[in-house]
Amino acid sequence: SQTIHQWPATLVQPVGSPLSLECTVEGTSNPNLYWYRQAAGRGLQLLFYSVGIGQISSEVPQNLSASRPQDRQFILSSKKLLLSDSGFYLCAWSVPGYGYTFGSGTRLTVV
Amino acid sequence: GQQLNQSPQSMFIQEGEDVSMNCTSSSIFNTWLWYKQEPGEGPVLLIALYKAGELTSNGRLTAQFGITRKDSFLNISASIPSDVGIYFCAGRASYDKVIFGPGTSLSVIP
Repeated sequence: SQTIHQWPATLVQPVGSPLSLECTVEGTSNPNLYWYRQAAGRGLQLLFYSVGIGQISSEVPQNLSASRPQDRQFILSSKKLLLSDSGFYLCAWSVPGYGYTFGSGTRLTVV
Repeated sequence: GQQLNQSPQSMFIQEGEDVSMNCTSSSIFNTWLWYKQEPGEGPVLLIALYKAGELTSNGRLTAQFGITRKDSFLNISASIPSDVGIYFCAGRASYDKVIFGPGTSLSVIP
């Protein structure tokens, strides 16, 4: 069966520090992968999605970047975090044309 | 761009009551999805709808794909405390992307 792993679960980082959040999927090949941010427990904002290795689409201009170095690995990064980057980050995967399966999320607090 | 509206924004109900929430859009979608998110967790898919007019149940949950393809509703019968959470509707905007509504927060009073 397919599973999605996301880590860490919680993270507290100082302003200006770098960020790397990792997401991996097991049990499927060539999934579509997504990064979402959720502020204050409401509203899912799509940040990036990828339909294949090295293919990244950005939905909103921001301080973050994404990379997909392997078929089932999706990384969310920042060189210098801002206070406004705080939030709940969710990774998701889908087989094209079907619903999404979400990871358990990373709670990021920038202090 | 494409947007989804959900109503109500929040609900406070007594245990045992039925719940109804809906989702509307100015755009047509080919797939409607309903998710539930509990605090500190990622959303979990409850029901997927793939055809206009489709009515699908999952236990006490029933969802329908509106005939105009611009709306969907979710009903929960005989609510229980574990139904608490945020319910998101989502529409498939393209082969690759799903658009999420802002969510309906449900609180159940025992």
